[in-house]
Amino acid sequence: DIQMTQSPSSLSASVGDRVTITCRASQSINNHLNWYQQKAGKAPNLLIYAASSLHSGVPSRFSGSGSGTEFTLTISSLQPEDFATYYCQQSYSTPRTFGQGTKVEIK
Amino acid sequence: EVQLAESGGGLVKPGGSLRLSCATSGLTFNYAWMSWVRQGPGKGLEWVGRMKSKAGGGTTEYAASVKGRFTISRDDSKNTLYLEMNSLKAEDTAVYFCSWIGETNSYYYLGVWGKGTTVTVS
Repeated sequence: DIQMTQSPSSLSASVGDRVTITCRASQSINNHLNWYQQKAGKAPNLLIYAASSLHSGVPSRFSGSGSGTEFTLTISSLQPEDFATYYCQQSYSTPRTFGQGTKVEIK
Repeated sequence: EVQLAESGGGLVKPGGSLRLSCATSGLTFNYAWMSWVRQGPGKGLEWVGRMKSKAGGGTTEYAASVKGRFTISRDDSKNTLYLEMNSLKAEDTAVYFCSWIGETNSYYYLGVWGKGTTVTVS
């Protein structure tokens, strides 16, 4: 199975900050990498697929990059509604493993 | 608008069984690939399994933690996905989400999620 490791596990940031979350795969997954946002008590929502493609309706302050084994999710200017937990997931092979999550909290 | 609604969760004793349903609307279900994902209390997301459309072969795949105990099935006439769970263990306690698998240029993603249903094994 492909292991997905996110860093950091949590971070504190202020509104307007630039935030970067890293996701590493245990083997190459090309760019078969998705990012999801989950707010407390809610279902996750897709943000980015294919490592860098923005899902419909997702604000442009979210962006993704990377290929192979290392990927990043960047929020260019953190907004109050962005405080949530973010998960990466590989869609290269089954089982479709997730990272352990990164919780973005208010500083 | 695609909508998914899970049901069937509840409290069950270890070793017991439960069947979850995921009713769908707003999509051509018989062509849809579908997935189940769970989230234990205070934990991250865990992929449970997926089922392709019948046109795509109708095959299923499972996480090692549930293989042999859980079965995903579908009733295309009812636009509904199921998760049959047997030999339940305490570690199966979780919120179970169903999700529609989207595809763009051979890239797959969980494009729409239901609100989830809670299973407690105790």
